[in-house]
Amino acid sequence: SQQGEEDPQALSIQEGENATMNCSYKTSINNLQWYRQNSGRGLVHLILIRSNEREKHSGRLRVTLDTSKKSSSLLITASRAADTASYFCAWAVGWGKFQFGAGTQVVVTP
Amino acid sequence: SQTIHQWPATLVQPVGSPLSLECTVEGTSNPNLYWYRQAAGRGLQLLFYSVGIGQISSEVPQNLSASRPQDRQFILSSKKLLLSDSGFYLCAWRERDKKTSGANVLTFGAGSRLTVL
Repeated sequence: SQQGEEDPQALSIQEGENATMNCSYKTSINNLQWYRQNSGRGLVHLILIRSNEREKHSGRLRVTLDTSKKSSSLLITASRAADTASYFCAWAVGWGKFQFGAGTQVVVTP
Repeated sequence: SQTIHQWPATLVQPVGSPLSLECTVEGTSNPNLYWYRQAAGRGLQLLFYSVGIGQISSEVPQNLSASRPQDRQFILSSKKLLLSDSGFYLCAWRERDKKTSGANVLTFGAGSRLTVL
């Protein structure tokens, strides 16, 4: 299987706390991407990290990539209630196709 | 600007009935188009992708089919729905990520929720 894994499956935190989720994949990659999905909606691209990068920031998001371990992490700092969503990592497999992890469901309570 | 539309947003169908979900993209030409299915609380499973009119690749054997009659139209169909076809169906197209100077990312529609009873 070319699927990866994400952990934790679910995460519940309070506003202001940080949320960290991890992704493991099984193939060689050119880049790894993170997407967010609000309940009942489509996915929205958040951030992309290339295989030659180790860390990347975008606003309150911080992504790390360890290609030797085939793993990535997404950190959301100072969480807000609006960050409540499911978060998915994704990577390209074969030409033009994308594989997604199982996702981490994050609930941020006020 | 590019937009992607999916309809219907919600559909309840009896077992054995046909299905047609439609996806259209605006503001781009010759996009790569994708159909994904998401079971409740699960990740995304790639069903079909298309690189051009009439060109469809199927990723998993199943009760569904896809067609691309026009450059910016992608249709997911079934002749006879099964209970296991229930799920959230997402259409997406591949575009260049403006923030990372060229890497491919996916832009998704709002999804179509199918319940088969």
